[in-house]
Amino acid sequence: NAGVMQNPRHLVRRRGQEARLRCSPMKGHSHVYWYRQLPEEGLKFMVYLQKENIIDESGMPKERFSAEFPKEGPSILRIQQVVRGDSAAYFCASSPSGISNTGELFFGEGSRLTVL
Amino acid sequence: GDSVTQMEGPVTLSEEAFLTINCTYTATGYPSLFWYVQYPGEGLQLLLKATKADDKGSNKGFEATYRKETTSFHLEKGSVQVSDSAVYFCALGDDKIIFGKGTRLHILP
Repeated sequence: NAGVMQNPRHLVRRRGQEARLRCSPMKGHSHVYWYRQLPEEGLKFMVYLQKENIIDESGMPKERFSAEFPKEGPSILRIQQVVRGDSAAYFCASSPSGISNTGELFFGEGSRLTVL
Repeated sequence: GDSVTQMEGPVTLSEEAFLTINCTYTATGYPSLFWYVQYPGEGLQLLLKATKADDKGSNKGFEATYRKETTSFHLEKGSVQVSDSAVYFCALGDDKIIFGKGTRLHILP
């Protein structure tokens, strides 16, 4: 059973370009969470999605950031017009039925974005 | 809002030493509490959890007890190994998990 798959593992963008990060949850998992890890800091919650729905986006910056989890295909975290401060590791996690039921998230290995 | 505070690292110990990593939390309800571990170059993985007050979570020789009276969930291990070197995250959650900043642990042979 494959784990959470994220790609690309490393992404380099110049300021003003767009970054797209993809996450395929574990088989059977319909809940996806995105976190951002800045250097020397912990993980900051960004967004929680179920298939075709955004459940909680309280951690998403108001501009330039968006996320989706379509009925078919991976979840996508999109960052438009990237700036140097967006450089970070972005982690995706999944769960089969939400934290309150299972109490566990399964994490991917992360996508490391570098903005030049 | 809910938050987690854990001791800053890095923590450096010799092999077979006793480990404590302190963690305290602030929460409006009664969330589940977790310790996650991140090995170099990898994503986080669940180490242990406790879902209600006085529960003790344990795994791989690590343990932590959910203390409502002191709002704490300290991680302990009686005898650490070099392979325990990693970053440890205390966390709490209901609908989403909120993480502390992490504590880097170095174990010297």
